[in-house]
Amino acid sequence: AQTVTQSQPEMSVQEAETVTLSCTYDTSESDYYLFWYKQPPSRQMILVIRQEAYKQQNATENRFSVNFQKAAKSFSLKISDSQLGDAAMYFCAYRSADSGYALNFGKGTSLLVTP
Amino acid sequence: GAGVSQSPRYKVAKRGQDVALRCDPISGHVSLFWYQQALGQGPEFLTYFQNEAQLDKSGLPSDRFFAERPEGSVSTLKIQRTQQEDSAVYLCASSLDRGVYGYTFGSGTRLTVV
Repeated sequence: AQTVTQSQPEMSVQEAETVTLSCTYDTSESDYYLFWYKQPPSRQMILVIRQEAYKQQNATENRFSVNFQKAAKSFSLKISDSQLGDAAMYFCAYRSADSGYALNFGKGTSLLVTP
Repeated sequence: GAGVSQSPRYKVAKRGQDVALRCDPISGHVSLFWYQQALGQGPEFLTYFQNEAQLDKSGLPSDRFFAERPEGSVSTLKIQRTQQEDSAVYLCASSLDRGVYGYTFGSGTRLTVV
């Protein structure tokens, strides 16, 4: 099974500043999908951003962008102009394009946003 | 409905009791997934349905866990003879396709076995 590693259990950022959350993964596949999900205290997982492995261009969604380094198997999330509402657990996830249906999640990074 | 609805939101069960967790996906969503999230961990895959067919149940931890989706809409996850290690949040998610564009998750059921 593919392993997803988030090496930062907790991160802190000041409001309006930029923060980067790290994610690495282990796979022998060439085609796959990567995701970042946000989980606030309400427990509902919310999709933040998605990347297709065969696309070299990094995905961007408003204040959220990724740095996808396929050779390094790295998929970091950058949050610009951080807002108090960004405080949550953030999970990186991997999905194979060819085998299985499951999302493999990392253990998560808790993001604290300070005023 | 507008989102994925799960009930109950909280469930306390005595060890050995059977429980049933319900998931109401978004109307028209073909795919339905169940995940288990232990405290301080990321969600772990349990099972996948495409309409009423259970195509993957490789993540179910034991034969005490059973899931069904008889009419291709509402799904029930049943846990028989609950054990303390079953305590977790159980998340349901649905999607129009096989999930390659991401899923819509519900808010989960927090199960505590005492």
